[in-house]
This record gives sequence, structure tokens and C-alpha cells, in this order.
Amino acid sequence: AQTVTQSQPEMSVQEAETVTLSCTYDTSENNYYLFWYKQPPSRQMILVIRQEAYKQQNATENRFSVNFQKAAKSFSLKISDSQLGDTAMYFCAFSRNAGGTSYGKLTFGQGTILTVHP
Amino acid sequence: DAGVTQSPTHLIKTRGQQVTLRCSPKSGHDTVSWYQQALGQGPQFIFQYYEEEERQRGNFPDRFSGHQFPNYSSELNVNALLLGDSALYLCASNRTGFSYEQYFGPGTRLTVT
Repeated sequence: AQTVTQSQPEMSVQEAETVTLSCTYDTSENNYYLFWYKQPPSRQMILVIRQEAYKQQNATENRFSVNFQKAAKSFSLKISDSQLGDTAMYFCAFSRNAGGTSYGKLTFGQGTILTVHP
Repeated sequence: DAGVTQSPTHLIKTRGQQVTLRCSPKSGHDTVSWYQQALGQGPQFIFQYYEEEERQRGNFPDRFSGHQFPNYSSELNVNALLLGDSALYLCASNRTGFSYEQYFGPGTRLTVT
């Protein structure tokens, strides 16, 4: 079974600064996806960024980037130029990629509450 | 293009009752997954439906059941409600073969008293 651990229950950052959220995972799989989801107070879960395990290059999406360390099973999210709208709960998630049998079940971490201060 | 929709938004039930939650997937999506999110926790996978069949199931008791209709919409049914069933229930949809692109609905907040 896969597990995802987020060791930072809460983080805060000043507007325009950079913050890094941590995530570690445990799996015996070699081919999988890792995700960061954002859940604002509106409750809508929004995909922030996705990383495919077989790709060595770290994924980036505008102000969001990841540091994927496969051997260490670590997957951190860096938010640059933080904005007030980034305030939300952030979840790290794992999904197997075993072709037709994986079906995309997501395993989530406990979440990190990020507050961006003006 | 409508995203994933869920109804109702909020629901209050009494212990022992039964509840049905509904989900309409994003246009073009044929696979629906359900998750339970307790307050302050990460979502937990309940089950997934494709072609009107339950394809994968998480560690939830048989009190949790579901259905998918020919138009790909889905229902989640919970029988004999317990106080511990109070949670946000999230529905996610994707196109088959694109399980790495799941879109979530806004959820249904269920309170069991």
C-alpha cells in the first residue's frame, strides 16, 4: 500500500515571497504520478501540478514548481511570488501508473494549511 | 463547459438514516470516483465507477454503495448512517485512460446528528 506524508500542518508566508511545502511518500511501485492539489475555503479541489515518476525533469507551472527526488521519495512544492489567492489547504497525492489496471485511485496526504499574509 | 457538479451542497441526517449524494461528471468524462474527506484530513478513496460498474474500491464498509447511470452521472448511497460518516464527500471525474487528469466537484457536506 502507498502512503503519503505531509509533515507541515501549517505554513505562512508574506505576499511576494517564496515558500516550500514538503511531502514524502512510500511505495514499491516504479511507475506512478505525484500531484499537488489546492483546496481553498470554497472546498473545490484544484490540480496545481503533476509529476510523472519516469520523468527526471521537475515539473513547473508558472509560479509553481516541484523538487522531485525519486530515490528519497520526496516531492516538495515551491510557490514563488506568493499571492493572497494562494491561501488554501495543499494536498500531496499519489497515483499508480500501471496501465489499464491502475484506474487512477488517488492517495492523499494530511494536507498543509498555507496562509499568505499581505 | 460545465465542470463536475454535485448535489446537494449540504445535508443533515440523523443516525441510522440513509442518504444519497449525486454527481454529474465533466462533459466528455466517463469515469467517476468518490472520496470522503473528514474535517482537517485528506480525502480517502471510496470507489470508482466506469461503464456502470464498480471498478475499484477503497477500504469502506458495504454500507457505502454506488451507481453509475448511462449518462455517466453517479450516486453515492450510505445506509445506517453513523456519526463518523460526517464529512465532505467529493466526486471526481476523468476520461478513461486519462486517470492522471481528475477534476473534482465542490463536494457535499454531510452532517450526521
